Amino acid sequence: EIVLTQSPDFQSVAPKETVTITCRASQSVASSLHWYQQKPNQSPKLLIKDASQSISGVPSRFRGSGSGTDFTLTITSLEAEDAAAYYCHQTSSLPHSFGQGTKLEI
Amino acid sequence: EVQLVQSEAEVKKPGESLRISCTASGYFFSTSFIGWVRQVPGKGLEWMGIIFPADSDTRYGPSFQGHVAISADKSSSTAYLHFHSLKASDIAIYYCVTLDGQTAAALYWGRGTLVTVSS
Repeated sequence: EIVLTQSPDFQSVAPKETVTITCRASQSVASSLHWYQQKPNQSPKLLIKDASQSISGVPSRFRGSGSGTDFTLTITSLEAEDAAAYYCHQTSSLPHSFGQGTKLEI
Repeated sequence: EVQLVQSEAEVKKPGESLRISCTASGYFFSTSFIGWVRQVPGKGLEWMGIIFPADSDTRYGPSFQGHVAISADKSSSTAYLHFHSLKASDIAIYYCVTLDGQTAAALYWGRGTLVTVSS
């Protein structure tokens, strides 16, 4: 089973700043790594698929990069509405798995 | 528009069985993987398993194998998550998700079903 480890677990940032969340896989997942945003009391929402592919309707401030075992989600020009938990998710091999999550406070 | 409509919250006793549902619309149900994700209140997301309705091919996460069963009814475009014998540790929100055909990313999410287990 592939384990995904995110860092940090929690980060507090000011509006308009840039934040980077990392996700490290215990073995290569190629580019089969996706990112989700979950706001309080809401279902998660897909932000980025296949490491760097944008999703229709998601602001361009959200960017993903990486391949193999190391991935990053970068959010630029942070807004108050970006306060949420962020999760990475690998679908390279079964069983699929999620990172433990990163809580972002604005 | 893709929609996943999940069944309402449930309150059950330890040892009881339960089946929760997820009715899909807006896409071709049979040939798209559908899955379940668990979220214990205040905690992260856990991948439970997926099913391909066309042939009922099902895969489970190791923590859930043998404790739950995933099934799908093509005639009603509904996926089910069945608990054989509920425990207090099953208290969680359960989300159904549809998977992107190319990447298997969880493209659409239901609103979740809260399961409470209490004697």
